[in-house]
Amino acid sequence: DAGVIQSPRHEVTEMGQEVTLRCKPISGHDYLFWYRQTMMRGLELLIYFNNNVPIDDSGMPEDRFSAKMPNASFSTLKIQPSEPRDSAVYFCASSSGQGVNTQYFGPGTRLTVL
Amino acid sequence: QKEVEQNSGPLSVPEGAIASLNCTYSDRVSQSFFWYRQYSGKSPELIMSIYSNGDKEDGRFTAQLNKASQYVSLLIRDSQPSDSATYLCALPSGNTPLVFGKGTRLSVIA
Repeated sequence: DAGVIQSPRHEVTEMGQEVTLRCKPISGHDYLFWYRQTMMRGLELLIYFNNNVPIDDSGMPEDRFSAKMPNASFSTLKIQPSEPRDSAVYFCASSSGQGVNTQYFGPGTRLTVL
Repeated sequence: QKEVEQNSGPLSVPEGAIASLNCTYSDRVSQSFFWYRQYSGKSPELIMSIYSNGDKEDGRFTAQLNKASQYVSLLIRDSQPSDSATYLCALPSGNTPLVFGKGTRLSVIA
């Protein structure tokens, strides 16, 4: 069975450009999480969804960040406009209601903003 | 105090030794605790969970929990070079299903 799928795996863009990261959770999982990982701040939760509904977006750093989950099998994280300080690895993870703390992570998207 | 604190390391141990990784937390009402392992360039994966005071063993791994001291640890017996990774402590806090520590980097020297 496929795990969490993320695309692209690497993204290099210039400051000011729009960036869209994509995630397909494990089939049957009803929780989806977006994390950002940097050396300085570690692994930070940005936003999470339950049954496609955003539950807590308090980790989203500012209005430049937005996330959507139009259906159970797809989510996007968008940064517009991007800034160099957004450079990080962005992980998507999913879990089921029976074990919300057992999260399965995707391979991540390494974002570099020049 | 940060919610979940870990020594960043690196913690270096010789092959075959016991590696001890520690984590302290600030939320006194936390009831469940998790250890995730992250290899360099890879994503985190769950390796242990613990809910009750005391020890929980799984193969070469033992998780220890002391709620009174707000302390959770992970012991790795007979450490192998393949155990070299960053170990992340995590626990629920408020509405957040998991808050992660910054992790401790473990290096097992052959």
